[in-house]
Amino acid sequence: QQQVKQSPQSLIVQKGGISIINCAYENTAFDYFPWYQQFPGKGPALLIAIRPDVSEKKEGRFTISFNKSAKQFSLHIMDSQPGDSATYFCAAESARQLTFGSGTQLTVLP
Amino acid sequence: KAGVTQTPRYLIKTRGQQVTLSCSPISGHRSVSWYQQTPGQGLQFLFEYFSETQRNKGNFPGRFSGRQFSNSRSEMNVSTLELGDSALYLCASRIGPDNEQFFGPGTRLTVL
Repeated sequence: QQQVKQSPQSLIVQKGGISIINCAYENTAFDYFPWYQQFPGKGPALLIAIRPDVSEKKEGRFTISFNKSAKQFSLHIMDSQPGDSATYFCAAESARQLTFGSGTQLTVLP
Repeated sequence: KAGVTQTPRYLIKTRGQQVTLSCSPISGHRSVSWYQQTPGQGLQFLFEYFSETQRNKGNFPGRFSGRQFSNSRSEMNVSTLELGDSALYLCASRIGPDNEQFFGPGTRLTVL
């Protein structure tokens, strides 16, 4: 019930391409959906977040698409850059507790 | 503004020992949460403290405990260490329970 399923596990894209990472959840009590970016040796850093009353949120090259009826949300990274190479985690929060997806290792080739 | 700081950054212990990790939140942040990150289990919530009280607890054994001081600094303790406790322990702080969390760099614990 608390699981957040994330795919793909790894993703390789060319510079300038679009990176898409998907997450699905079951618990309808989740009310906050953040995405985190983590570089090796660092803690996760908040990238962008959305609440379920909004279907899309865009910040620069990063966009979250949220489908409440399907209980799915995704991260789109436009014009992907080598500096975007990192591990990305989706998460969902309920009662102030974050449940994380398993992570996606993104590699952007120059 | 300084970020979340965690000490020590690296720690090596042997089975059966106990360990204490420290977290200093961002100034003004009163909520501190702890997470365990492992390759197998990913990021898992341990517990959250707000105003020196544990507000939420994840599904971990009682060997894992924590506390928060009046200055919002927090410590996490693991007693009777097991090999499986080897992990990156992350601390995150936020102003209040409904705000975004900011993570520290973590403490890498290795249990031999």
